[in-house]
Amino acid sequence: EIVMTQSPATLSVSPGERATLSCRASQSVSNSLAWYQQKPGQAPRLLIYGAYTRATGIPARFSGSGSGTEFTLTISSLQSEDFAVYYCQQYNNWPPLTFGGGTKVEIK
Amino acid sequence: QVQLQESGPGLVKPSETLSLTCTVSGGSISSYYWTWIRQPPGKGLEWIGYIHYSGSTNSNPSLKSRVTTSIDTSKNQFSLKLSSVTAADTAVYYCSSGGLWYFDLWGRGTLVTVSS
Repeated sequence: EIVMTQSPATLSVSPGERATLSCRASQSVSNSLAWYQQKPGQAPRLLIYGAYTRATGIPARFSGSGSGTEFTLTISSLQSEDFAVYYCQQYNNWPPLTFGGGTKVEIK
Repeated sequence: QVQLQESGPGLVKPSETLSLTCTVSGGSISSYYWTWIRQPPGKGLEWIGYIHYSGSTNSNPSLKSRVTTSIDTSKNQFSLKLSSVTAADTAVYYCSSGGLWYFDLWGRGTLVTVSS
């Protein structure tokens, strides 16, 4: 099973600033990596798939990069609605599909 | 647009079987892969497994012996059964879809508590 590790666990950022979230895979997942955003009491929302392709309707301030074992989600200028928990998920080696433990982006 | 809605008991006794149904509205279940994902309170996401409208399935090896998924195309529903539950199975259970590997369509989730 591929283990996905996200860092940091919590990221404190001021509105308008850039946020950089990391996700590391225990072995290469090529570019088979998705990112999700989850707000309290809501289901996750797909942001990115294929490591860098934005899902339908996702604003351009969200961008993904990386391949192999190291990935990054960047939010270029945080808006109030972006404060949430973010999860990465690999789909290169499965079953099982596996998720990271999440990074909470909170208001500084 | 396609919407998903989970339904089922919110409380299950230990050692019994958890049963959930996901109703697909606004579209046909006879396409795509239909997936179950769960999230224990305050924790991360765990993929449970999927079923395709053709009936093919796959599930998380850690749960495989306890998971049964089924699909009813006449009702536009798919279902999850998880047997021999323990407190560790307490979670919000989501049905989802959009693809085999990543998911852009989710239900709102339903909390299932395992307790006597």
